[in-house]
Amino acid sequence: DVKVTQSSRYLVKRTGEKVFLECVQDMDHENMFWYRQDPGLGLRLIYFSYDVKMKEKGDIPEGYSVSREKKERFSLILESASTNQTSMYLCASSFVKGGRETQYFGPGTRLLVL
Amino acid sequence: AQSVTQLGSHVSVSEGALVLLRCNYSSSVPPYLFWYVQYPNQGLQLLLKYTTGATLVKGINGFEAEFKKSETSFHLTKPSAHMSDAAEYFCAVSVIIQGAQKLVFGQGTRLTINP
Repeated sequence: DVKVTQSSRYLVKRTGEKVFLECVQDMDHENMFWYRQDPGLGLRLIYFSYDVKMKEKGDIPEGYSVSREKKERFSLILESASTNQTSMYLCASSFVKGGRETQYFGPGTRLLVL
Repeated sequence: AQSVTQLGSHVSVSEGALVLLRCNYSSSVPPYLFWYVQYPNQGLQLLLKYTTGATLVKGINGFEAEFKKSETSFHLTKPSAHMSDAAEYFCAVSVIIQGAQKLVFGQGTRLTINP
């Protein structure tokens, strides 16, 4: 079974703090993604990576950065957390297979910024 | 640009009744379409997907969806609801960027099952 793990299920941070969210997958997938999920908005793509050290902006990259130093690990960084970044963050990974691959999701990290 | 609209943010049905969750998409190219389910406090799990071929797609837990190109729809159905089906359901369409599949999600539909 594909396994995508996220470092924390719940996080509470203060405004202005630097926040790291970690995601690890164990299936040697090329592609990894970070989404945020908000009620009534569904999932929105923040960043994705299709290879080590490669990254592409998604639909809402402002206020975030990412790092992919190893194939299995994809980190989301909030340089200076703000209250409007309170959300559920979901990581996903997929294997390139002609564009028909399934994305596998981690359990999510619920972040509260005070 | 690809987009997805899920009609109804909340749907409530009785146990044993038909489940119908609506999804309409827009896509400039032949779409790949997905339904995911999210149980409370969990990540998303794939229910089913349509790529090419048969337009009626069967998934896990007794769900199925039919791709109707003329209606740009991909509605999710289940003949008889179970209490365990209570969850949030997301429809998504895929786009390919830099060889990676990017999913565009609808806003989600929360399904409640009444005993």
